[in-house]
Amino acid sequence: QKEVEQNSGPLSVPEGAIASLNCTYSDRVSQSFFWYRQYSGKSPELIMSIYSNGDKEDGRFTAQLNKASQYVSLLIRDSQPSDSATYLCAVNGVNSGYALNFGKGTSLLVTP
Amino acid sequence: EAGVTQFPSHSVIEKGQTVTLRCDPISGHDNLYWYRRVMGKEIKFLLHFVKESKQDESGMPNNRFLAERTGGTYSTLKVQPAELEDSGVYFCASSPRGHEKLFFGSGTQLSVL
Repeated sequence: QKEVEQNSGPLSVPEGAIASLNCTYSDRVSQSFFWYRQYSGKSPELIMSIYSNGDKEDGRFTAQLNKASQYVSLLIRDSQPSDSATYLCAVNGVNSGYALNFGKGTSLLVTP
Repeated sequence: EAGVTQFPSHSVIEKGQTVTLRCDPISGHDNLYWYRRVMGKEIKFLLHFVKESKQDESGMPNNRFLAERTGGTYSTLKVQPAELEDSGVYFCASSPRGHEKLFFGSGTQLSVL
């Protein structure tokens, strides 16, 4: 079982719609959860972090965490073509030190 | 403020050769990480420095890989001798505190032929 799993996509949504990106993780004692955005050929960039159950909102982005279900998601409201990128879910567990475990990423395409 | 700088951006070498990758973290960032993405796979942790000390090198694939961070500033990752399976994108990242927010470099694309 992969430690962090994401649907590779591509996920295609029309401009203005809500994009929903999902991630599951296997380490039940994971404590820190991150979403990175990576444009093609560029470096990953942190867009959201979440540490406790529930929702965390930042602008058009909302991260949702459910530790019981080992599930973390990222919602992007009012999607824009500039949001088209690969979104990487990263998880840090108690026994991981400072290492992050990444999923393969979900490719998002926002069509005008 | 300058970001994390990596060079070269691309390196093409033959199997058995040696390659050294360099990373300059953001000034003042004590934490420096190396990660690698092999084609079709997820980004994988290689190792973590705090200043000049290796805190965690559990992700290093084998003893052909050697990372250093002399003086706690820039870091190098040497692969000697390189094998075909070492091909991938090598990312360096730095942070002021732990893993809370990593700043990534743009990576070095290594191709071993």
